[in-house]
Amino acid sequence: GENVEQHPSTLSVQEGDSAVIKCTYSDSASNYFPWYKQELGKRPQLIIDIRSNVGEKKDQRIAVTLNKTAKHFSLHITETQPEDSAVYFCAASTSGTYKYIFGTGTRLKVLA
Amino acid sequence: SQTIHQWPATLVQPVGSPLSLECTVEGTSNPNLYWYRQAAGRGLQLLFYSIGIDQISSEVPQNLSASRPQDRQFILSSKKLLLSDSGFYLCAWSVEANTEAFFGQGTRLTVV
Repeated sequence: GENVEQHPSTLSVQEGDSAVIKCTYSDSASNYFPWYKQELGKRPQLIIDIRSNVGEKKDQRIAVTLNKTAKHFSLHITETQPEDSAVYFCAASTSGTYKYIFGTGTRLKVLA
Repeated sequence: SQTIHQWPATLVQPVGSPLSLECTVEGTSNPNLYWYRQAAGRGLQLLFYSIGIDQISSEVPQNLSASRPQDRQFILSSKKLLLSDSGFYLCAWSVEANTEAFFGQGTRLTVV
């Protein structure tokens, strides 16, 4: 079945540094890749997404890159701030399946 | 605007007791509905999804079941809870495939 692997499981960075989280998906037909941020005890919320017809997308300090050939996509956070500390989930979805398959999550800690 | 309600927020149940978690979406019609489980330190596991009334797909064989008695209502049930059913249960909805999924606030279930 479909699978999404996410690395690393935990990540600590100094405030102001960059953070990179990587995901690999198994279904080559996947064409939608959202990233969610979940703060402690709260619901996951979408922070950025990318579709398979785009290689990169940016939104202020957040960017996502997609390599369809390698079936990899990554989240990049620049100039990290303490409020970026949370668990981040990647996901993959395929047209016609209606399913969102999530990675196992990355706990990001930004040290002040 | 659309909103999603999920209740209860927390629940402590003894092993062998039944379970009923409810999720309701407002402000949209014919949403895709999802139940996810988040075990401690783990990712979001898709349990069930529904693209319409009487159209429910199960992703993981277990002692849980789902029903959709109304267009915007999704219920997660169990006849007899196991200790391993403990976790954080999240309901979600989307307008269509390959678009943002919106999560409810979650139910923290502890089976004792």
